[in-house]
Amino acid sequence: GAVVSQHPSWVICKSGTSVKIECRSLDFQATTMFWYRQFPKQSLMLMATSNEGSKATYEQGVEKDKFLINHASLTLSTLTVTSAHPEDSSFYICSARSDTEAFFGQGTRLTVV
Amino acid sequence: QQQVKQSPQSLIVQKGGIPIINCAYENTAFDYFPWYQQFPGKGPALLIAIRPDVSEKKEGRFTISFNKSAKQFSLHIMDSQPGDSATYFCAASMVNRGSRLTFGEGTQLTVNP
Repeated sequence: GAVVSQHPSWVICKSGTSVKIECRSLDFQATTMFWYRQFPKQSLMLMATSNEGSKATYEQGVEKDKFLINHASLTLSTLTVTSAHPEDSSFYICSARSDTEAFFGQGTRLTVV
Repeated sequence: QQQVKQSPQSLIVQKGGIPIINCAYENTAFDYFPWYQQFPGKGPALLIAIRPDVSEKKEGRFTISFNKSAKQFSLHIMDSQPGDSATYFCAASMVNRGSRLTFGEGTQLTVNP
């Protein structure tokens, strides 16, 4: 079946640095990708909708200058957490939709120390 | 109108039992209803999805029942196994690629040996 690949699966960074997370649709083109954040034992919280070739649409309360999204091609979207702080530590997940189904990446565990 | 309500929050069954997880939605424009299985530290994996033109869909041990008039759908897991212990999320959206998923709150399923 269709696969969405997310990298890295985990990352530890120092406070104040930036971290980039990649999301690729491996066997279908995705004009739209979605970025979620998930806290322990909670559901997925949509952060932003990434549109190929245009600006991302951010959900209310999500800082667009902190969470930079780039969707430069039909198979790749990136999320960059800028000037990361411990409160940004979380599980980040991307999603992309084919013609028929919605798939998720493996997730990225970000720990900011 | 965008909410999806999921119940129960947690569920414990014995091996071989048939856990049932229920979801209710409000937005009648939704026409895509997937179920996801998530293990700790992993992204959600698509289990099975249904469109509103059918009342039931079965894939292996997983069955979705769909009641359009009641705006409800449910997941049944036949002959449950300890390896099915995970968190299950229902979701709903419009079927087009640019539509976001609206998630239920999740159900923590434990299947005891």
